[in-house]
Amino acid sequence: GQQVMQIPQYQHVQEGEDFTTYCNSSTTLSNIQWYKQRPGGHPVFLIQLVKSGEVKKQKRLTFQFGEAKKNSSLHITATQTTDVGTYFCAVGSSNTGKLIFGQGTTLQVKP
Amino acid sequence: DTEVTQTPKHLVMGMTNKKSLKCEQHMGHRAMYWYKQKAKKPPELMFVYSYEKLSINESVPSRFSPECPNSSLLNLHLHALQPEDSALYLCASSHGQGTYGYTFGSGTRLTVV
Repeated sequence: GQQVMQIPQYQHVQEGEDFTTYCNSSTTLSNIQWYKQRPGGHPVFLIQLVKSGEVKKQKRLTFQFGEAKKNSSLHITATQTTDVGTYFCAVGSSNTGKLIFGQGTTLQVKP
Repeated sequence: DTEVTQTPKHLVMGMTNKKSLKCEQHMGHRAMYWYKQKAKKPPELMFVYSYEKLSINESVPSRFSPECPNSSLLNLHLHALQPEDSALYLCASSHGQGTYGYTFGSGTRLTVV
C-alpha cells in the first residue's frame, strides 16, 4: 500500500523562527492530508491537497503538493508557542478506504 | 454537531475483563474508523466501516471486535486483552472513505493490567 516518509522526526525552534516538515512517497499520491495533534490531544484535520503543484495557505501555515504528486510540505512562518504539537501527513485511498499516516514531526517552540 | 464523541475517556481493565468502547457522530458521515495509537507513534488503522458494513480489518486480533449498530454509532468490544494493547484508541468519521478530512474523537486511553 501507499506509504509516506516524513522528516524531520523532531524540530526545536525559537519562537518567531520558521518551521517546515516534509512528506515523501515513492509512488504518485491521489491526495495528501495534514493533521495536527497537540500533546495529550487527538489528530485535528488541517487540510487536504489533491492537485499537482497545489499551494494552500491558512494564516501562517502554507501547504504544498509537489508537481509529481510524490511529495508535500507544511511550512509555518514565525512560529508561536501555540504551534507546539505533532504534525502528520496522511495518504487516503477512496478505493481501499484507508488513511495511512506518516511518522509525524514533533515541533517544540521555545518562548 | 461537528464532533465525534468517545466514551469512556479512560479505561483500566484486567486481562480477563470484557469492556466496550463507544463512538458517536451526528454529522451524517457514512464512513467510520477505529485507530490505535501508541505513545510517540502515528495512529494505526484497525477497522473501516462504510455504510455500516465492515470494509477493512487490518489483521486485528480477534480479541478486538468492532460493531456498527447504526450509521451514527461505532463500538469496539474488548476481551482478553494483553498489556501491550494499552494505547489510545481513536474513533474517526468522514464523508467518504479514505478521502476528505477525518474528524477524530478525543479517544479512549486504555490501560490493560
